[in-house]
Amino acid sequence: EAQVTQNPRYLITVTGKKLTVTCSQNMNHEYMSWYRQDPGLGLRQIYYSMNVEVTDKGDVPEGYKVSRKEKRNFPLILESPSPNQTSLYFCASSLNRVTIDNEQFFGPGTRLTVL
Amino acid sequence: AQKVTQAQTEISVVEKEDVTLDCVYETRDTTYYLFWYKQPPSGELVFLIRRNSFDEQNEISGRYSWNFQKSTSSFNFTITASQVVDSAVYFCALLVYNFNKFYFGSGTKLNVKP
Repeated sequence: EAQVTQNPRYLITVTGKKLTVTCSQNMNHEYMSWYRQDPGLGLRQIYYSMNVEVTDKGDVPEGYKVSRKEKRNFPLILESPSPNQTSLYFCASSLNRVTIDNEQFFGPGTRLTVL
Repeated sequence: AQKVTQAQTEISVVEKEDVTLDCVYETRDTTYYLFWYKQPPSGELVFLIRRNSFDEQNEISGRYSWNFQKSTSSFNFTITASQVVDSAVYFCALLVYNFNKFYFGSGTKLNVKP
């Protein structure tokens, strides 16, 4: 089954404790992206990747890191999480750059709470 | 700068009523794409439709219809004869071709009551 998976789905952590949220897709997609969803703000793009070893900042990259060493994986790293990073995070992928010709598939979301 | 505005934070209707969700976008680029996504209470994001900036033809899919008007920079979504299962948060989004970035509106929560 074609899908985007994220782990963990739920995470409660404390300020400053490094964490990684994994994202994996099995569709051989080139384009992958991370978003955070906050009440009243909709989804905001954190980072995106056009292909292996090619990443770029979205609108809200501060406090996050990403890497794209393999095509299928695009982990989101919080080196020193803070309470303002408490949010619902979505990973997404599409065949190549998101255009009218191909659809962006979203993962199920990861709810992160930073105490 | 790119921006998507969904001014309606929350809408409540009674089943079988028609409802229109508004979306206004801002961009100076001439090539862009517009999307609508549905987020039901379960939390996943469900793709509904995409449109490119060169195609202003309105679209109908069952009880759903979309009205794209470049003159007013709007891409409104109408649900005809709403059902309880339509209760969800709906997001409008903009992708500018040259930037590979998605811009989402803040969402409209639709409550359909039986």
